[in-house]
Amino acid sequence: GAVVSQHPSRVICKSGTSVKIECRSLDFQATTMFWYRQFPKQSLMLMATSNEGSKATYEQGVEKDKFLINHASLTLSTLTVTSAHPEDSSFYICSAGGQGVKAKNIQYFGAGTRLSVL
Amino acid sequence: AQKITQTQPGMFVQEKEAVTLDCTYDTSDQSYGLFWYKQPSSGEMIFLIYQGSYDEQNATEGRYSLNFQKARKSANLVISASQLGDSAMYFCAMREGLRGTGNQFYFGTGTSLTVIP
Repeated sequence: GAVVSQHPSRVICKSGTSVKIECRSLDFQATTMFWYRQFPKQSLMLMATSNEGSKATYEQGVEKDKFLINHASLTLSTLTVTSAHPEDSSFYICSAGGQGVKAKNIQYFGAGTRLSVL
Repeated sequence: AQKITQTQPGMFVQEKEAVTLDCTYDTSDQSYGLFWYKQPSSGEMIFLIYQGSYDEQNATEGRYSLNFQKARKSANLVISASQLGDSAMYFCAMREGLRGTGNQFYFGTGTSLTVIP
């Protein structure tokens, strides 16, 4: 099946530093990828829709200058948490859809990135 | 209004028994897709099963089946012969529109399933 790779799986950083998270579709092209944030024991909260070759679409309440998204190719989207603070600590997870007839309808998820800001 | 409603925050099932996880959805679209994902403690979201709004038969994937009742707008997940490894969070999700890959998913709040030996 389709595979989405997300890296790193875990990152611990100091307050004020920036952290980049990569999301790659390994065996299909993804014109659109989604970035989610998940708090403990809660559902996924959509942060933004990453569009290849154009600006990301951010959900209401998500600071675009804080969470920079770059979708430079059909297989890679990056989320950069700029000047991270402890309140940014969370589980971030990306998803992408495949291009096959049936796979088009399915979003495949990366394994997630657990960010801890000290 | 919530797009996806999962009313069971936690469920317990005896090993080897079947369990049904409830999901209702709300949409005015005629074309939509319904999904179930499993999230173990490691955090990854694992795709389990998909049902399209025009599919006449209930979807099945191994021990997973989706009880699709369109008129009631419900899409319950049935897990047969539960195994200890089935213990996880389960999320129901919906995507409106069936074409392309750009439409966002709406997720329910999840059901935590615990399989008891």
